[in-house]
Amino acid sequence: GIQVEQSPPDLILQEGANSTLRCNFSDSVNNLQWFHQNPWGQLINLFYIPSGTKQNGRLSATTVATERYSLLYISSSQTTDSGVYFCAVERSAGGFKTIFGAGTRLFVKA
Amino acid sequence: DTGVSQNPRHKITKRGQNVTFRCDPISEHNRLYWYRQTLGQGPEFLTYFQNEAQLEKSRLLSDRFSAERPKGSFSTLEIQRTEQGDSAMYLCASSLASNRANTEAFFGQGTRLTVV
Repeated sequence: GIQVEQSPPDLILQEGANSTLRCNFSDSVNNLQWFHQNPWGQLINLFYIPSGTKQNGRLSATTVATERYSLLYISSSQTTDSGVYFCAVERSAGGFKTIFGAGTRLFVKA
Repeated sequence: DTGVSQNPRHKITKRGQNVTFRCDPISEHNRLYWYRQTLGQGPEFLTYFQNEAQLEKSRLLSDRFSAERPKGSFSTLEIQRTEQGDSAMYLCASSLASNRANTEAFFGQGTRLTVV
């Protein structure tokens, strides 16, 4: 099946710093989403981005489907950005289930 | 509509007991998914429905697990004869999809199961 790899696995930032999270996937995908999982376990939708670039405030994302990767940019990080960031892809063939990466655990220090 | 709703939020059960969880998707969404998440891992796919039809099941879904979506609206996930290894967060998601394309999936807050 399709493999989804996220890097780095863990990241510690000082408040105000910028960061880039990466998601590589092993096969063609129909869709790609980025989520933030808060400390209570809720998955918050950040971006629905099968291709191209989107921005929402301090966050932006770029997916290059032909090269099978996506990037999530966090600028001017805040302590509330802490949590786990997941990339999830929906494969192109054989159904529509969504496969998650293992996540990047981000801690932003005040 | 306030999003995907899951009940209960927490469940503690003794090993060997049966448990049932409920998921109410976003009302116009025809696709519903169940995932399981253990500590430190990403969510793992269990099964999904399009309307009332269960279209795919993961190998993780042993014969002790059964999911239903009888009227194409809410869904239930039942675990029979629970084991300690079943302790996890069970997540439900929904999306609006056609045969050719899917849209953004939205997740509920999950049901955290602890088997003692």
